[in-house]
Amino acid sequence: KAGVTQTPRYLIKTRGQQVTLSCSPISGHRSVSWYQQTPGQGLQFLFEYFSETQRNKGNFPGRFSGRQFSNSRSEMNVSTLELGDSALYLCASRFQGGATNEKLFFGSGTQLSVL
Amino acid sequence: GENVEQHPSTLSVQEGDSAVIKCTYSDSASNYFPWYKQELGKGPQLIIDIRSNVGEKKDQRIAVTLNKTAKHFSLHITETQPEDSAVYFCAASGTYKYIFGTGTRLKVLA
Repeated sequence: KAGVTQTPRYLIKTRGQQVTLSCSPISGHRSVSWYQQTPGQGLQFLFEYFSETQRNKGNFPGRFSGRQFSNSRSEMNVSTLELGDSALYLCASRFQGGATNEKLFFGSGTQLSVL
Repeated sequence: GENVEQHPSTLSVQEGDSAVIKCTYSDSASNYFPWYKQELGKGPQLIIDIRSNVGEKKDQRIAVTLNKTAKHFSLHITETQPEDSAVYFCAASGTYKYIFGTGTRLKVLA
């Protein structure tokens, strides 16, 4: 099975612009979550989507939004970019094979640099 | 709020020695505790996990222990090798939500 695929791998944007990141989960996984990773803050949860519905949300401003399509692919959008948004954005695909068989798998991430 | 504390933040060991990383969680509803290894330029990779109904789990040189009463869990790596050098993250999960520790940078010195 192919792993979690994130595109693009690298992005350079300027302040005030917006950006869209894409994630394709592992085939058969219906849950996709997004994390922001920075050297100082570690892995911060952004949101999770399951069957096209946002199921959980972290403490990020409304500039960060996402959606999930019927094929489970997900996109994350950040509007009005700020310098502090520079980070590695990780997508995770969740396998839920019952309450005792859940696992979370990460993609390689999109490295966003805001200049 | 819910959080996971992870120690130490950096750890250097000689090749062949053991390494131990410890985590403490706050949410009593947490019932699943995975560990991830992240190498430079890559996403975190699941290396081992443990569920709340188990006290210890082992996979070759890697083991994880869980003390639910104290809300502690630990990663043990024996006979460390240079390729074990990476950043390790612990996490605690309850319903749908994962809280991650801040990571431990492990350096295995040859």
